[in-house]
Parts: sequence; structure tokens; C-alpha cells
Amino acid sequence: KNQVEQSPQSLIILEGKNCTLQCNYTVSPFSNLRWYKQDTGRGPVSLTIMTFSENTKSNGRYTATLDADTKQSSLHITASQLSDSASYICVVRGTGGFKTIFGAGTRLFVKA
Amino acid sequence: DVKVTQSSRYLVKRTGEKVFLECVQDMDHENMFWYRQDPGLGLRLIYFSYDVKMKEKGDIPEGYSVSREKKERFSLILESASTNQTSMYLCASLSGQVNEKLFFGSGTQLSVL
Repeated sequence: KNQVEQSPQSLIILEGKNCTLQCNYTVSPFSNLRWYKQDTGRGPVSLTIMTFSENTKSNGRYTATLDADTKQSSLHITASQLSDSASYICVVRGTGGFKTIFGAGTRLFVKA
Repeated sequence: DVKVTQSSRYLVKRTGEKVFLECVQDMDHENMFWYRQDPGLGLRLIYFSYDVKMKEKGDIPEGYSVSREKKERFSLILESASTNQTSMYLCASLSGQVNEKLFFGSGTQLSVL
């Protein structure tokens, strides 16, 4: 069964600290993996995409990694800011059609 | 940037009412989707459409129907709302290009009493 598991479910960190969010998936065959950020009361917005051949990709303070062999991805946030408080959703797309599996998300709280 | 607009941010309806959720996108995308989002669960696909008047069932279509009369507009219909349909509903659109991202609306929080 195609699944996407995210951990932790929620996370509280102090402003300025780093954190890493995890995503494990079983979707096969694999096309790409995206991380989305969803602010409270808003729709998700894409942060980054990882394809099969990519190991790491950065978008400002966000760095995503992908290990296609172990089917794991991580999202590392550096020097967190209050505005990073949001849900982060890992989304894996299979090949063919629109097969897209969403993780349940990690809820990040950044405290001053 | 792509804009996906959902007509209502919050809706409160009574059990048995017919409910229409409207979604409009302005980028001429072929593909549009309706998801629901519940705490602790990932987004779940209700229906999607890959062209005008075309629709496909997603993972949880029961109790819902959709309409796509124009390319830019995709409507979700709850024929007879029930309390278990209380949820956040998200509309999204997608171009046909490889590796393109979903563009989401801001969501409609529906409460069925």
C-alpha cells in the first residue's frame, strides 16, 4: 500500500534554533517528492521538489534531502523564525496519472 | 503566480442541506482537485477533473459530487450534508507539465450541525 509517514507529529523549538522533519514513504514507482508549507488558515504552498536523481536541494533556510534507496526524505530548517510556525506536509507522487499521496504533516511551533 | 480562489472561508450548514463549494483558478490549468483535510490525517482526494465536463472519483467520493462546466471553475457538491462531512475543504489546480506543483486555494472550513 502506498503510504507517506511523517515524524514528529508536532515540534516546539525556540526561535533561532535548527530542526529536522522526517518523511518516510512506500510509494512506488516513484516520480517526485515535494515539501509543502501550510500556514494556519491557508492552503499548502510548495517549498521544494526532489526527483529521483537529487540528493539535496536548498530553498533559503530550508534544505531538503532525499534517499531514494531507503525511501526517506528530510526537511531541515536553519535559524528558525517565528514565521516558520506552520504545518509541513510531505507529498509523494507516483508515476502515471495523478497518484499523489500526502503525509499527515508535522506541526511546527517556533517560540520567541 | 497562479491564483486559486475558493468562494467561502467559513460555512455553517445544517444536516440534510445541499451545499455548494466553488473554486476558480486563473491559469488555464487542465487539472483541478478537491481534497478534504482532517486533523491527524493527510489530505484525502475526493474528486478530480482533467478537462471540462470530465471527472474522476478520488479516494473518498461517497456523499459528494462535482461539476466542471467551465475550465476555470470546479464545484464540489454535498447533496445532503452530514455531520461527518465537517472538515476543511481544499481546492487545487495543476498544469499538465511533468513535476509541476499543485496550487491550492485558502480552503473552506465547513461545519455541519
